[in-house]
Order: sequence, then structure tokens, then C-alpha cells
Amino acid sequence: GAVVSQHPSRVICKSGTSVKIECRSLDFQATTMFWYRQFPKQSLMLMATSNEGSKATYEQGVEKDKFLINHASLTLSTLTVTSAHPEDSSFYICSARGQQGDNEKLFFGSGTQLSVL
Amino acid sequence: DAKTTQPPSMDCAEGRAANLPCNHSTISGNEYVYWYRQIHSQGPQYIIHGLKNNETNEMASLIITEDRKSSTLILPHATLRDTAVYYCIAWNSGNTPLVFGKGTRLSVIA
Repeated sequence: GAVVSQHPSRVICKSGTSVKIECRSLDFQATTMFWYRQFPKQSLMLMATSNEGSKATYEQGVEKDKFLINHASLTLSTLTVTSAHPEDSSFYICSARGQQGDNEKLFFGSGTQLSVL
Repeated sequence: DAKTTQPPSMDCAEGRAANLPCNHSTISGNEYVYWYRQIHSQGPQYIIHGLKNNETNEMASLIITEDRKSSTLILPHATLRDTAVYYCIAWNSGNTPLVFGKGTRLSVIA
């Protein structure tokens, strides 16, 4: 199936710094990508929908100025956590819909564990 | 998306079949039943999906009741590596995100 690559897999940062997470569709084009967040022992929660060439759509309660999403190409979406604080520590996961024979599936990256000290 | 209901946890002996139930009584006609699983600290992995016919692939089988109000995911010979949280999701496979419920935590025991 289609491959979604997410980088970095783990990041530790100081409070107040910004962290960028990249999500790439390796062998297909993705006009739309989705960003999720997952706290320990909880399910995945949708944060935002990333659309290539236009503004992202954020879910209720997600601060767009804090979680900046850029989908500048058909294979790359980035999530930047600005001025990170300990409460932003979480597992962040991106996903993209496959194409052609896989267009009925969403494929997920391996996730990024963010720890803010 | 239609809401689904799954038991919070299940145990299964290694080598035996794991049968994971899911209720989706409010599923609409254009929604498929999807199953994903998430192994600890990894992204979700697609397993199988179906509309109304039973489906089988190299990973699992999916049995959907005739009224489409419930389904069962079957892992025919569970291994320790199948220990994960399994999510049943009703989704119309359009350009919309998957909405995850709480899933079933399957523990395969040696």
C-alpha cells in the first residue's frame, strides 16, 4: 500500500521553542492530509485537515496560531507547534488518502512523540 | 460518521482465532465498515474494510451482518504481534478523515 513518512519520530524540546513535524506521501500525491493528536491511553483526536495550496481546516478547540499547518506541495504537509509548552506533549500522527487502487484507504505515518520540558 | 461500539478489551490465546465484535446500528448506506489497528507507539495500520459482503485478506476476515448493524473482525491465528488496539470505524471513504472511537485493546497471551 501507499507509504506515509513522518519525521522526526521523537523530539524533546524546551518550553517556549517551536517544533516542526513533517509528513510526506512517498509514492503518491496527497491533496489532503489529516493531523491527529493522541494522549497516553486515549484514542486519536483529529486536529486539522491540511489542504494543498489552501488554508488548513481546524477542529473546534484547536488553536490555529499555535499549530501551524503548511501543505505547500502534493507530497508534503508540515505541522509546527509554536511556543510549545508541557501540555503540548503528545503523540502526533498524520495521514493521507491513497490513490488509484488504494483510494478507499487512509494511510498513516509512524507518529511523532513530542516531549516538552 | 456513524458511531461504533466496541468492547474495551479482550484476551486471546496465541494460535487461536480472535473475534472482535463491533456494533454500528446507525451506519448509513454509503458508509463502509473499516478496521484499523494501532500497535503501541505506532501509527494506525489498515486491516480490512467492507460494505455488506464478507471480506477476507491476508491479515483478517470481516463478517458483516445482513442488516449491517454489526460486524466481526476475525484474526484466524492470533500471534503475540497482534496485540494492539483495534478500531472499528464506519466511513464513507470520501475526502474526509477517519474518526476514531476508543477501540478494543486485544491482548494475545502465550
